[in-house]
Amino acid sequence: ETGVTQTPRHLVMGMTNKKSLKCEQHLGHNAMYWYKQSAKKPLELMFVYSLEERVENNSVPSRFSPECPNSSHLFLHLHTLQPEDSALYLCASSRAPRDVTIYFGEGSWLTVV
Amino acid sequence: AQSVTQLGSHVSVSEGALVLLRCNYSSSVPPYLFWYVQYPNQGLQLLLKYTTGATLVKGINGFEAEFKKSETSFHLTKPSAHMSDAAEYFCAVSLYNTDKLIFGTGTRLQVFP
Repeated sequence: ETGVTQTPRHLVMGMTNKKSLKCEQHLGHNAMYWYKQSAKKPLELMFVYSLEERVENNSVPSRFSPECPNSSHLFLHLHTLQPEDSALYLCASSRAPRDVTIYFGEGSWLTVV
Repeated sequence: AQSVTQLGSHVSVSEGALVLLRCNYSSSVPPYLFWYVQYPNQGLQLLLKYTTGATLVKGINGFEAEFKKSETSFHLTKPSAHMSDAAEYFCAVSLYNTDKLIFGTGTRLQVFP
């Protein structure tokens, strides 16, 4: 399944930088997600957007700011991150807000230095 | 609250041998259960899922899993391992009619010639 694309695939940023991760889904889905994958830890759900409205924010620090301008695009804006934020950030989408079959992108590897 | 436990963070098998990856869940209501696979430097790909109906579920690449309610398990099996099966495998649980997936910590499968 290559219907969810993420850019960039790799990003190195300093703690004072501002950068953004981009996700686009070509599947006609109505729900989009950001997950964080760190070593030795389960995948963590960060944000859920349903029909362009944020419906879930799992206590994510404000240095992560999501944006969903339409049902096909999802951004994660990054500002003043910490080294412990280095991880693989996975975007995903599902057909409907309650459709449990979720399709993932290939992820964006983020390194904070 | 739901949770997922994957027994064994690493499993090694010989090519042609049986693959068994264990997953146990806890849920107060009937769960939806999933197995995802992550190949190196890639995102997660859905292998198979159980929602309702037949408890033995067949997925892609010859994998299958059986939902055993009495054992609260959803173990993943494949009769004969192939070198290309080397990857990380994630079990996940979702409550009926929600869009939240709870992931296990993953099991890395190594296949030796």
